[in-house]
Amino acid sequence: GEDVEQSLFLSVREGDSSVINCTYTDSSSTYLYWYKQEPGAGLQLLTYIFSNMDMKQDQRLTVLLNKKDKHLSLRIADTQTGDSAIYFCAERSYNTDKLIFGTGTRLQVFP
Amino acid sequence: DTAVSQTPKYLVTQMGNDKSIKCEQNLGHDTMYWYKQDSKKFLKIMFSYNNKELIINETVPNRFSPKSPDKAHLNLHINSLELGDSAVYFCASSQDSVRGSGNTIYFGEGSWLTVV
Repeated sequence: GEDVEQSLFLSVREGDSSVINCTYTDSSSTYLYWYKQEPGAGLQLLTYIFSNMDMKQDQRLTVLLNKKDKHLSLRIADTQTGDSAIYFCAERSYNTDKLIFGTGTRLQVFP
Repeated sequence: DTAVSQTPKYLVTQMGNDKSIKCEQNLGHDTMYWYKQDSKKFLKIMFSYNNKELIINETVPNRFSPKSPDKAHLNLHINSLELGDSAVYFCASSQDSVRGSGNTIYFGEGSWLTVV
């Protein structure tokens, strides 16, 4: 079946790097996404990676994909207080076209 | 201009009422979706339409009915609202389904529904 798991909380000091991890079960996943949700706001697409890639970098964001272990991570370099939010990992199955979300990781950045 | 826009953003209504949430996208996308986010922030797909045709219909009560008058609009109508329907409803769009050229999915700002 389809299942996406994330740890619930992460707390980092401002200026440090944050690494948010995600595991998924659907081997037919085509695309994997990271979304950011700030309090009371919508879902902002941060980045995505195609399943035949193992890394993608976009400014402060680095996505790593280990397809064998079905493990996805999002690294935020030089984390700022404005990065405090809930981060959702999601996978999109080629078979169903559904976007299956993880439970979300609440990132707290302290000075 | 907002790419995916939903109205209303906030809606407070009584049990038993019927309400609609409207969604419009100006991206020229063919596929649109409705997702529900519960109080624990868990997100789950409800429906998807591709070129006005219903593609995904998850197990949701019959009281929820999507309507797509054209491919730029996907409205969600809810009959006989219940307390458990209180949630945030997100509309989203993609250029195509994943089997086509749809790689990115963009979400609206959400509609906060509270049933009292």
